[in-house]
Amino acid sequence: DAKTTQPNSMESNEEEPVHLPCNHSTISGTDYIHWYRQLPSQGPEYVIHGLTSNVNNRMASLAIAEDRKSSTLILHRATLRDAAVYYCILRDSSGYSTLTFGKGTMLLVSP
Amino acid sequence: DSGVTQTPKHLITATGQRVTLRCSPRSGDLSVYWYQQSLDQGLQFLIQYYNGEERAKGNILERFSAQQFPDLHSELNLSSLELGDSALYFCASSVDLGPSGSPLHFGNGTRLTVT
Repeated sequence: DAKTTQPNSMESNEEEPVHLPCNHSTISGTDYIHWYRQLPSQGPEYVIHGLTSNVNNRMASLAIAEDRKSSTLILHRATLRDAAVYYCILRDSSGYSTLTFGKGTMLLVSP
Repeated sequence: DSGVTQTPKHLITATGQRVTLRCSPRSGDLSVYWYQQSLDQGLQFLIQYYNGEERAKGNILERFSAQQFPDLHSELNLSSLELGDSALYFCASSVDLGPSGSPLHFGNGTRLTVT
């Protein structure tokens, strides 16, 4: 799996938007961009994924750069429950592959 | 609730012992994955099964083994346990092998403590 780079930590205030960046300059044309998060004492939770176009779901939005070398996970209104470690992962769609987790970004949300 | 069930939630055992961790995937999911999470190593992929067959191996020790049964539940067997095996063990499931980008759904893990 190709490598991603994320900030170690970010801080936000409750009810404000949060933009979590991810760089993946060696992404291949067949790599999906996946985002997972892990809340304290829980298993990782799927957030969103995309290939080329921006994606929206009930949890978040994923903005993918035109050259696909970076992406941003957008939480539109952060809540205290969004405090977690967020993982940006590339997953090859051309064949079989698993998820390889890096260190992720720890998001701290203040009231 | 992800729909993935792992038992037991906690397990305390002694060095040299053997334990079995159990995972029931989400209804309809054919693929099961096992991950280990320790403080110093992060989330490490161990092994994957699809419809009863082993499909991929990651950093799984020879002392560890797994299988997926006809009813699709999976078991991870850890033997000759060492202190360093203390970790959270997560099971995840997905509909298929992954080419479509289908997400993984994780259970809440089994916390293994080896004393």
